[in-house]
Amino acid sequence: DTGVSQDPRHKITKRGQNVTFRCDPISEHNRLYWYRQTLGQGPEFLTYFQNEAQLEKSRLLSDRFSAERPKGSFSTLEIQRTEQGDSAMYLCASSSLNRGGMSRGEQFFGPGTRLTVL
Amino acid sequence: AQRVTQPEKLLSVFKGAPVELKCNYSYSGSPELFWYVQYSRQRLQLLLRHISRESIKGFTADLNKGETSFHLKKPFAQEEDSAMYYCALGPYGNKLVFGAGTILRVKS
Repeated sequence: DTGVSQDPRHKITKRGQNVTFRCDPISEHNRLYWYRQTLGQGPEFLTYFQNEAQLEKSRLLSDRFSAERPKGSFSTLEIQRTEQGDSAMYLCASSSLNRGGMSRGEQFFGPGTRLTVL
Repeated sequence: AQRVTQPEKLLSVFKGAPVELKCNYSYSGSPELFWYVQYSRQRLQLLLRHISRESIKGFTADLNKGETSFHLKKPFAQEEDSAMYYCALGPYGNKLVFGAGTILRVKS
């Protein structure tokens, strides 16, 4: 399978614990995005990277959230001191740029990591 | 502010009936609009985008800048069209702003 992969698929944790999720994008894709989806809502943008540079962060991304893409390949999203309100599906997506550096628009999504905070 | 509104949480139609999933957007610039679909137990995937002006699986969507709408249409619904549909706004290929989604149920 050459699509976007995410690990783990499910995570149950206790309030106050730290969790880390991993995303492996499609190999030739420059851009990597993180979204969060809660029940009954569409995905909400959290942050995105172009290669290893984090170019935009949503106001949804509190200080407890940090994302990295150290070598411009896989990315990690860490949540410190989890709260029950962090329970959600965390989606990763990737996309490519054309030779002129313009986005091709389509984002390819992974299966998501479902986080439950007890 | 960028916003996408999908007014219907659920749309239920009979097989063979026409389908129209509504989407309205708010954006001051030149919009780039998409429809994404999520079938049961599958990941979110692109159905179509307004730039391509193509028909995918019999679905079409026309961007109406005057009405700020991007409704998804299909003349004859099929049971395999049952899924969750999200309209998304993505200016210049950066972040996507999604609507809340509409569940389409096609009854036999």
